[in-house]
Formats: sequence, C-alpha cells, structure tokens
Amino acid sequence: EAEVAQSPRYKITEKSQAVAFWCDPISGHATLYWYRQILGQGPELLVQFQDESVVDDSQLPKDRFSAERLKGVDSTLKIQPAELGDSAMYLCASSPGVSGSSDTQYFGPGTRLTVL
Amino acid sequence: QKEVEQDPGPLSVPEGAIVSLNCTYSNSAFQYFMWYRQYSRKGPELLMYTYSSGNKEDGRFTAQVDKSSKYISLFIRDSQPSDSATYLCAMSAYYAGGTSYGKLTFGQGTILTVHP
Repeated sequence: EAEVAQSPRYKITEKSQAVAFWCDPISGHATLYWYRQILGQGPELLVQFQDESVVDDSQLPKDRFSAERLKGVDSTLKIQPAELGDSAMYLCASSPGVSGSSDTQYFGPGTRLTVL
Repeated sequence: QKEVEQDPGPLSVPEGAIVSLNCTYSNSAFQYFMWYRQYSRKGPELLMYTYSSGNKEDGRFTAQVDKSSKYISLFIRDSQPSDSATYLCAMSAYYAGGTSYGKLTFGQGTILTVHP
C-alpha cells in the first residue's frame, strides 16, 4: 500500500538553528499539505500545494518558515531560525485530486521537532 | 472561539464498552466530515468520511452528522484495547461557486484508553 514518506522522523535542534523536513507524497497525488500539530492539539494547516504552486499559505509564518515543491512531487519545509515555540509534530499529507475536491487526505508519520 | 470544538476527554473505558466521541462546529460552510485515529507518535489515519446528515456505519464504527445542530459524533461499539488512541474530528468547507481548497480544520482530539 502506498504511503506518504517523511524524514527525519525526529529532530532535535537548538533555537536559532535552521531545520528542514522532507515529504514524498503518494505517487500521482497532485495536492500536498503541511500541517503542524502541537502536543495535545489537532493539526493546523501551514501550507497547501497544488502541483508546484502554493494555493494557501495564509497560516505560514513567512518570516521564518518556507516551503517548496519545485517539481510538483516531493516537498521541503524549512524553519530558519527555529524558536522554542516551534516544537511540534510536522505532518505532511497528500490527496489525489485538485485543490477544492473532497478527496481523502493521507498523512505521513510526521517529524517530531524539539527545539532546545 | 475555535471553529471546531471537541470534547477533550480523556476517556478510559473497559473492553466491550460503547464509546461516544463528539464535536461541535460553528462554520456553516463545513460540508465534509471526517474522523481520524492517531496512535502515539504516528500520523492520523482516516476512519470515517461523510458529507451528509445522518448515520454512516462501518463495522464497529458509526459516524453521525447533524448539520442543523452543527454536531458530529463517532460511536465505537464493542471497544477493544487496540482502539486506544487519539481520535480527531476534521471538517472541510465547500464555498458557494464551487471553490474549496480542501483544507481540513481539526478538533483538538480525544485520548481514548480501552483497558482489558
């Protein structure tokens, strides 16, 4: 069964350092999402891609976060510089259709970030 | 006020019990309703998906949607220790004109423990 892949699974960094997370969606999925899940809360959308284009980054803290999906396949989320409040699980999800469809989103295992 | 409120629990029940999980929402644009299960240190996995008021059954799981009251529920019959996890309700909107980015808005999750 195809799955969304994410790496690394765990990342510990010191504040002010740069971190990057990678996501490989299910093959053929056009839409890719990055969510952040703080411990004890539900995931919140950071950015959504349709192929290589950003369709929603309204909740992405753009002063320190960036995301790209250059060839419309895999994606990288970067934080620079990391802050203590960035400690969370970063989840990637993908869905087969175009943005606006009601397709099921399939989630990867997540990257747990701890900022010291 | 959050768009989606979920009874946070935690819930602890004996094996074989019927479990009821609930969410309320305030955004009338929400038309698609989902329940995800999340095991510790894993990504969410889809359990149930529905887009209409009424009940939908899948094995031991029943999802209930009442759009007039803006209330959704998940019932688990004959609960098992393997059902111990965090349960997340999630919703997405359909806006007039057919434009929806498919963004999921989650509740904060309910931690369920089923003890033998």
